[in-house]
Amino acid sequence: EAEVAQSPRYKITEKSQAVAFWCDPISGHATLYWYRQILGQGPELLVQFQDESVVDDSQLPKDRFSAERLKGVDSTLKIQPAELGDSAMYLCASSFRGGVQTQYFGPGTRLLVL
Amino acid sequence: GEDVEQSLFLSVREGDSSVINCTYTDSSSTYLYWYKQEPGAGLQLLTYIFSNMDMKQDQRLTVLLNKKDKHLSLRIADTQTGDSAIYFCAVKISGNTGKLIFGQGTTLQVKP
Repeated sequence: EAEVAQSPRYKITEKSQAVAFWCDPISGHATLYWYRQILGQGPELLVQFQDESVVDDSQLPKDRFSAERLKGVDSTLKIQPAELGDSAMYLCASSFRGGVQTQYFGPGTRLLVL
Repeated sequence: GEDVEQSLFLSVREGDSSVINCTYTDSSSTYLYWYKQEPGAGLQLLTYIFSNMDMKQDQRLTVLLNKKDKHLSLRIADTQTGDSAIYFCAVKISGNTGKLIFGQGTTLQVKP
């Protein structure tokens, strides 16, 4: 069964450093989502791509976060500089264009900022 | 904006039924989902229901939707220890973006 791939699974960094997360969606899924999940809470959407275009980044802290999906397939989420409050699970999801658009999630990257 | 609320914790005995509840505020929500998250893992889709349906059954899972009260529930029959996890209700808001709004999750504890 096809799955969403993410790497790394865990990342420990010091504040003010730069970090990057990678996501490879299910093949053929045009829509890709990055969510942030703070411990004890539900995921919150950071950015949504349709192919290579951003369709929603209203909750992305653009002073430090950036996301790209240059060829409309895999995607990278970057934080620079990282802050203590960025410690969270970063989840990637993808969905097929149209229809129910059910989102399938990857295993996530757990980030700890020291 | 849309708000989704869940109770935080539920404890049941193995073999009993579990009922996890969720309320939402946006009456124009189109699809409603239940996801399961085990410790340190991503979210696993369990089931979903269209807003024009009242009930959906899938093996041990039954989803009930009360649109008037904006209330969604997930019933797990014959709950097993392997069902212990956090369960998230998620609502797709109206519009074309497909954005999901999640509840804070209900931790299900299944005692042997």
